[in-house]
Amino acid sequence: EDKVVQSPLSLVVHEGDTVTLNCSYEVTNFRSLLWYKQEKKAPTFLFMLTSSGIEKKSGRLSSILDKKELFSILNITATQTGDSAVYLCAPISSGSARQLTFGSGTQLTVLP
Amino acid sequence: EAQVTQNPRYLITVTGKKLTVTCSQNMNHEYMSWYRQDPGLGLRQIYYSMNVEVTDKGDVPEGYKVSRKEKRNFPLILESPSPNQTSLYFCASRGQGLMEAFFGQGTRLTVV
Repeated sequence: EDKVVQSPLSLVVHEGDTVTLNCSYEVTNFRSLLWYKQEKKAPTFLFMLTSSGIEKKSGRLSSILDKKELFSILNITATQTGDSAVYLCAPISSGSARQLTFGSGTQLTVLP
Repeated sequence: EAQVTQNPRYLITVTGKKLTVTCSQNMNHEYMSWYRQDPGLGLRQIYYSMNVEVTDKGDVPEGYKVSRKEKRNFPLILESPSPNQTSLYFCASRGQGLMEAFFGQGTRLTVV
């Protein structure tokens, strides 16, 4: 059974802080991993990671995938109140029509 | 504009009264899924579909039905809704290959 664990479940920081969100996974035939940001609406796409290494979305957001150790991290530097959201990770399996298995998410709150 | 459209956005209904939540995508995507989102549980897959007339159960299919008669539409049917189906529902679609999933706006369902 596919398994995705995100940590921490919740995080409260102040503007300007740097945060690291974790995602570990166990899926068969792993192909790629997606990160989403969810504010009070539908999840919006941030990153897709296929190879081990670093993928940058913007100057403040970056993500690393380690296919050997089966985890990914999402880093946000110089956080802003607009970064407050739930961050979801979802590995994709090849050959599996089940598509995405989501973690329970990390609730990030950035205080002014 | 590429999008996934769900209707209705909000629905309050009574126990046992059949309802359908519609989902339509205009991207010619093969894969479509339904998720429910509950506090602390993340996004859990209800049903998914690989293509027309091909559907299968996700993690929490009990109490739900789906159909995929056309590629663009993937309605979610609750034959006899119960209060434990009160939740936020998302439809998502994705094309073949390593592509992101696109989400609908969500349907907040309350069953009393």
